[in-house]
Amino acid sequence: RKEVEQDPGPFNVPEGATVAFNCTYSNSASQSFFWYRQDCRKEPKLLMSVYSSGNEDGRFTAQLNRASQYISLLIRDSKLSDSATYLCVVSLNTGGFKTIFGAGTRLFVKA
Amino acid sequence: DVKVTQSSRYLVKRTGEKVFLECVQDMDHENMFWYRQDPGLGLRLIYFSYDVKMKEKGDIPEGYSVSREKKERFSLILESASTNQTSMYLCASSRDSTGELFFGEGSRLTVL
Repeated sequence: RKEVEQDPGPFNVPEGATVAFNCTYSNSASQSFFWYRQDCRKEPKLLMSVYSSGNEDGRFTAQLNRASQYISLLIRDSKLSDSATYLCVVSLNTGGFKTIFGAGTRLFVKA
Repeated sequence: DVKVTQSSRYLVKRTGEKVFLECVQDMDHENMFWYRQDPGLGLRLIYFSYDVKMKEKGDIPEGYSVSREKKERFSLILESASTNQTSMYLCASSRDSTGELFFGEGSRLTVL
């Protein structure tokens, strides 16, 4: 079983749609959680951190359920510029901090 | 502005060659990472380091080694390159576990 698993993609949505990404992680000792965005042929960049209380940044809302070991990302009012691959990321303490990426979910937003 | 610099954007090597991939960060970060990214597999962690001269194996360390002699520099070494090591290699650094990872632009390695 992969340590971090995400929805298989791709997601194809029209502009203005709401889209949800799901992610599960296997190690209950995971301590920090993130969503990254990766544009085609570019390096990943942090989109937002994920907290147990949930957090929102404009059109983006992230949720964490530690009991279910589940992370989600909701994008409201999708824009063409949201087209990218979204990566679920967890970090756990193994002496150093090991940071594991999910395989990513590709999103295409169409006009 | 934060910066992670990888020495080569594109490399072509022959099977059996020794390959060095260099990564330098200018943010005084403690943690540095090497990943490889392949279609359908995402980013897979090869090695990481949380201090000078310290290293830990990631999920796919076989065929690779690393060196961290100075805080700002983390090198990935392929002792004897093989065709299955053809990939995009991404270096990253972070201040701590709660912090953001900053990535270099990547090094695309082709092993013939």
